[in-house]
Amino acid sequence: DAGVIQSPRHEVTEMGQEVTLRCKPISGHNSLFWYRQTMMRGLELLIYFNNNVPIDDSGMPEDRFSAKMPNASFSTLKIQPSEPRDSAVYFCASSSRGLTEAFFGQGTRLTVV
Amino acid sequence: GESVGLHLPTLSVQEGDNSIINCAYSNSASDYFIWYKQESGKGPQFIIDIRSNMDKRQGQRVTVLLNKTVKHLSLQIAATQPGDSAVYFCAETGPGRRALTFGSGTRLQVQP
Repeated sequence: DAGVIQSPRHEVTEMGQEVTLRCKPISGHNSLFWYRQTMMRGLELLIYFNNNVPIDDSGMPEDRFSAKMPNASFSTLKIQPSEPRDSAVYFCASSSRGLTEAFFGQGTRLTVV
Repeated sequence: GESVGLHLPTLSVQEGDNSIINCAYSNSASDYFIWYKQESGKGPQFIIDIRSNMDKRQGQRVTVLLNKTVKHLSLQIAATQPGDSAVYFCAETGPGRRALTFGSGTRLQVQP
């Protein structure tokens, strides 16, 4: 299995632009997580899907952030409009057992200038 | 508020020595704990987990110890190798909670 696949690996965008991050979870996993990692705040859970349904989005920082999971093999995290403080590494993770043994992707390093 | 592992210390060890990485948590209701390893430019990688009904669990070259009395978790790495150099995170969760709470991490540097 190729593991959790995220794209792009790096994204540089100007403030105000829309950014879409993509994730393909491991086949057969029914839970998907989006995390954000910064030096100041560490790893923060943004949103958690179970069986394609958002279960907990309390970590989504603002209405500028939205996430979708149209099917079991694909999820997106969108930021519109993006701001410099959104600069971080965004990780997608998937699991077959809820919060246990989550497998992380390589991450997308987002820089908003 | 609830927190796990408030600091990001750096632990430097000689190759071949044993390493001990510590983590403190604050939620006494936490009942499941995970150690992750994150190498530069990569996502966190699951190492080992432990539930609160245990106080010790062993894997390959790694041992996790849980002391619920003082809310402390440790990861022991035997015969540390250069490939063990990374940031190590503890994470925890508990009943009714939907998210893993991650600590801020400890950087392990292995000197050849």
